[in-house]
Amino acid sequence: RKEVEQDPGPFNVPEGATVAFNCTYSNSASQSFFWYRQDCRKEPKLLMSVYSSGNEDGRFTAQLNRASQYISLLIRDSKLSDSATYLCVVTSMFSGGYNKLIFGAGTRLAVHP
Amino acid sequence: DTGVSQDPRHKITKRGQNVTFRCDPISEHNRLYWYRQTLGQGPEFLTYFQNEAQLEKSRLLSDRFSAERPKGSFSTLEIQRTEQGDSAMYLCASSLGADLSSGNTIYFGEGSWLTVV
Repeated sequence: RKEVEQDPGPFNVPEGATVAFNCTYSNSASQSFFWYRQDCRKEPKLLMSVYSSGNEDGRFTAQLNRASQYISLLIRDSKLSDSATYLCVVTSMFSGGYNKLIFGAGTRLAVHP
Repeated sequence: DTGVSQDPRHKITKRGQNVTFRCDPISEHNRLYWYRQTLGQGPEFLTYFQNEAQLEKSRLLSDRFSAERPKGSFSTLEIQRTEQGDSAMYLCASSLGADLSSGNTIYFGEGSWLTVV
């Protein structure tokens, strides 16, 4: 089983739609949680961190449920420019006490006019 | 440019050849990470350096792969006897400290694309 699992997509939505992505993680010791955005053939870029209290950044809302080991991302009023792959990311501890990022496979979003 | 730089950005090689990728992290960053990303997958962790010490290697890093960071600055990732399955984007990232909890402390390069034909 992969450490981070996501809806595979693709999600094809019209402009203005609301779309939700889900993610589960298997390591209960995971400490930090993020959503990254990756455009085609580009490096991943941090979209937002995810906190248990939920957090919002403009049209984007992220939620974390530690008990269920579940992370979500909601995008409201989708724009054409939101078309990208969204990667769910958790931090995992090395045996030496250092962190590394563990990525899900990503969910592709295509917003059409 | 003060970001993470990778070279070459694109490499096409014949099966069986050796290839080497270079990563120059942000100058004061002492942590360096290599990831591999294949089509339709997220980046997968390969290895991690703290200064010149390679502290963690993934099982994905077979004996054909070797990474070095000889002076604790730039790093190289060499793939020997390349196979078609090695075709991927190889991403390098760097950070100043071990704490990645704030999310904005790790910086990725633009990646090196490898195509093995």
